[in-house]
Order: sequence, then structure tokens, then C-alpha cells
Amino acid sequence: AQSVTQPDIHITVSEGASLELRCNYSYGATPYLFWYVQSPGQGLQLLLKYFSGDTLVQGIKGFEAEFKRSQSSFNLRKPSVHWSDAAEYFCAVRTQAGTALIFGKGTTLSVSS
Amino acid sequence: DGGITQSPKYLFRKEGQNVTLSCEQNLNHDAMYWYRQDPGQGLRLIYYSQIVNDFQKGDIAEGYSVSREKKESFPLTVTSAQKNPTAFYLCASQRQGTEAFFGQGTRLTVV
Repeated sequence: AQSVTQPDIHITVSEGASLELRCNYSYGATPYLFWYVQSPGQGLQLLLKYFSGDTLVQGIKGFEAEFKRSQSSFNLRKPSVHWSDAAEYFCAVRTQAGTALIFGKGTTLSVSS
Repeated sequence: DGGITQSPKYLFRKEGQNVTLSCEQNLNHDAMYWYRQDPGQGLRLIYYSQIVNDFQKGDIAEGYSVSREKKESFPLTVTSAQKNPTAFYLCASQRQGTEAFFGQGTRLTVV
């Protein structure tokens, strides 16, 4: 069965510092990969997605993610974090033949001034 | 504007009561989903539907029921059989081969 692991439950970074959120998946083939962001009490907003092609994908709000097949990873990065980036971040996968997204348990990002 | 609308935003349920959460989309998406979110648990799939009049159980379907009589609507009923219904419920829709779009959620509390 497919699974998604986000090893970091909570991360705190200083405003202006760089950010990397980790995501590892378990699946025999290359899945479709997603990062979503959620503000408290709100729905999920898509940051970026990877289906195929270039393994470095750009998303909204200055985020990017890199798919590494050898490591089964899809880590999210941002060069300079803003206070408004404080939120919960979810990595998700879907098999190419499947339908529903499978989510990791999320990483809460706090931004300190 | 196209999107997914969940209502109500907040819902309170008494012990032994059934309640229904509404989810409507005007994106013309075939597939719709219900997820439950608990702190530290991520999102867990309750039910999903890929076409009208058809739906499948997800990982935690016990105590829940759904219907899909119209393409635009996918209501979720939380029955009295669900022993721990307090959670944040998210509805999503998806066109085949693309990403899922989410509603703003309904917070259900047992009182």
C-alpha cells in the first residue's frame, strides 16, 4: 500500500531564512506528487504538483520541490521564508492508476521574527 | 466563480443524532471525496465517488454514509454509529488526471 511520511511534525524558522520540508513516499512506481498548504480552520490550497518531466517544479508563493526517484522523496523548499508562510503543509501522493490522494500527517511551520 | 462550497462551517451534534454535511461543486468534476482531519493525523479518506450514483468506501467509512445523485453534490451523513465524530471534515473534487480542489471545511463538534 502507498504511504507518505513527513518526518518533521513541527519546524520553526526565522523570517528570511531558507526552508526545506521533507516528504518520503512508499510506492513501487512513480506516483503523482503534491504539496498543499492549510491555514488554521481553512481548506487546503495546492502549492505545486509533479506528474512527469523536469524533476524540479515551481509552485505558487515562491515554493519549489524536487522529485528524487532514488530517494523516493519530494522535498519542498523556499529560499526566504515570510511570516505569512506560517501554516500546516501536507505532502500527498496518488498512483497513476488511482484516484484518491494519500496524505502525510503534515508539518506545522512556525516563523519567528 | 467556480469552486467547492461546504456548509455549514460549524455544526454541533447531540449524542445519538445523525447530521448531514453538504458539499457542492460547480467545477464540472467527475470525482468527489470526503476526508476527515484530526490533529496530528493528516487527512484520512472516508468515501469517494468517481461518477454519479456510484461511490466507494475509503479507509475510515464506518459510521458514515454518502450519496451521489447529482454530479455537483456529494453530501456526507455522520450517523450515530460514529462514536467519535468530532473532527474537521473536508470535501474535495477532481477532474481525471489533475489535482484535487478542496472546500473550506466543516467543523463538527459533539455536544
